[in-house]
Amino acid sequence: SAVISQKPSRDICQRGTSLTIQCQVDSQVTMMFWYRQQPGQSLTLIATANQGSEATYESGFVIDKFPISRPNLTFSTLTVSNMSPEDSSIYLCSVDLQGDGRGYTFGSGTRLTVV
Amino acid sequence: AQSVTQLGSHVSVSEGALVLLRCNYSSSVPPYLFWYVQYPNQGLQLLLKYTTGATLVKGINGFEAEFKKSETSFHLTKPSAHMSDAAEYFCAVTQGSSNTGKLIFGQGTTLQVKP
Repeated sequence: SAVISQKPSRDICQRGTSLTIQCQVDSQVTMMFWYRQQPGQSLTLIATANQGSEATYESGFVIDKFPISRPNLTFSTLTVSNMSPEDSSIYLCSVDLQGDGRGYTFGSGTRLTVV
Repeated sequence: AQSVTQLGSHVSVSEGALVLLRCNYSSSVPPYLFWYVQYPNQGLQLLLKYTTGATLVKGINGFEAEFKKSETSFHLTKPSAHMSDAAEYFCAVTQGSSNTGKLIFGQGTTLQVKP
């Protein structure tokens, strides 16, 4: 089965700085998804990234705070900008390997701590 | 709008006892349903899924779940708990064949297994 690689796996960052998280899939996929998991909470979709178009953001998330790139069908980045301690979360990328809503697979996540 | 409710944020069972984690959903279209497990400091791993066909689905590690449309439920069970089952479990739903790529997650259930 396809593998999703996410990096960094964890980081500790100073408030006010930005962190870019990378997600690499070893097969081509149409959509890539970015989720946030705040401490002790469930997962919330941040945005959907399609190659060749701007990402679609969910309510409560904006491009200025979470810019996303999708340069090709196997790669995406999520940037967490101007970080504050409230951004401390696990960020996960996900892809639908089957392309029909039946095969969602997740990366191992990036554990971000903002101090 | 779709939603997922997991009854019981914490479930504690003895090793060897039955595991029952409850999940109810609301959806205006036939859903696809998923159970994921998250071990400490790790990403999400798919346990099992229901898309179409047989309503009793078997997953990895001895888990199974039954889709009951009349009860809008997708409860997760395992006949005999093992210490290694201690983890966070998430139920999730998408819009089935009208899939937009968005997974809606329940709040999660922490499973504790006592020796």
